[in-house]
Amino acid sequence: DAGVTQSPTHLIKTRGQQVTLRCSPKSGHDTVSWYQQALGQGPQFIFQYYEEEERQRGNFPDRFSGHQFPNYSSELNVNALLLGDSALYLCASSLNLGQGRKAFFGQGTRLTVV
Amino acid sequence: GQQVMQIPQYQHVQEGEDFTTYCNSSTTLSNIQWYKQRPGGHPVFLIQLVKSGEVKKQKRLTFQFGEAKKNSSLHITATQTTDVGTYFCAGPGATNKLIFGTGTLLAVQP
Repeated sequence: DAGVTQSPTHLIKTRGQQVTLRCSPKSGHDTVSWYQQALGQGPQFIFQYYEEEERQRGNFPDRFSGHQFPNYSSELNVNALLLGDSALYLCASSLNLGQGRKAFFGQGTRLTVV
Repeated sequence: GQQVMQIPQYQHVQEGEDFTTYCNSSTTLSNIQWYKQRPGGHPVFLIQLVKSGEVKKQKRLTFQFGEAKKNSSLHITATQTTDVGTYFCAGPGATNKLIFGTGTLLAVQP
């Protein structure tokens, strides 16, 4: 898990605002997945990026969008924030070498919406 | 959709006691992964099991993948305070998407 970096580590936003979270994957990894982890719950898959395209999406509204850059880093954007968006947002990087490759997680961004 | 459940949700043990968490998937899995998340931390990869009936050991931790590849277990022998955290199993969906289990929070009393 060393090598996946996320920024910022903590963030407080107001309802209705927009937020951008950033992730740099582990060196050599080309696939980035984003997860939302509410308190006391397991991580929930938001979406995955590979070759700068969204490859798969979980059950999250269109307010959640993302981007992957040529250097494989990624951003997660959330518009029109709701109180329920408060959670730990985790970025995981992996290699696109087939199904089920282990994921390396960053330390996460703790988002609080007030 | 695919669901992965874990039991128990919470376990409190005395240091030195054993601990087991069970993971059940609604669908057959190509592999199962286990992660540990310390309080306030992020999930850290522990192990991956691929073969039906596979058993792997890491010191005091024993991981097992069921014959039908729909269930798995993690057993910790003689727990220590450093074992505290939430243990998640995770199964792959399409591509590298991971479906995480509900997690088991382990508390160890010294």
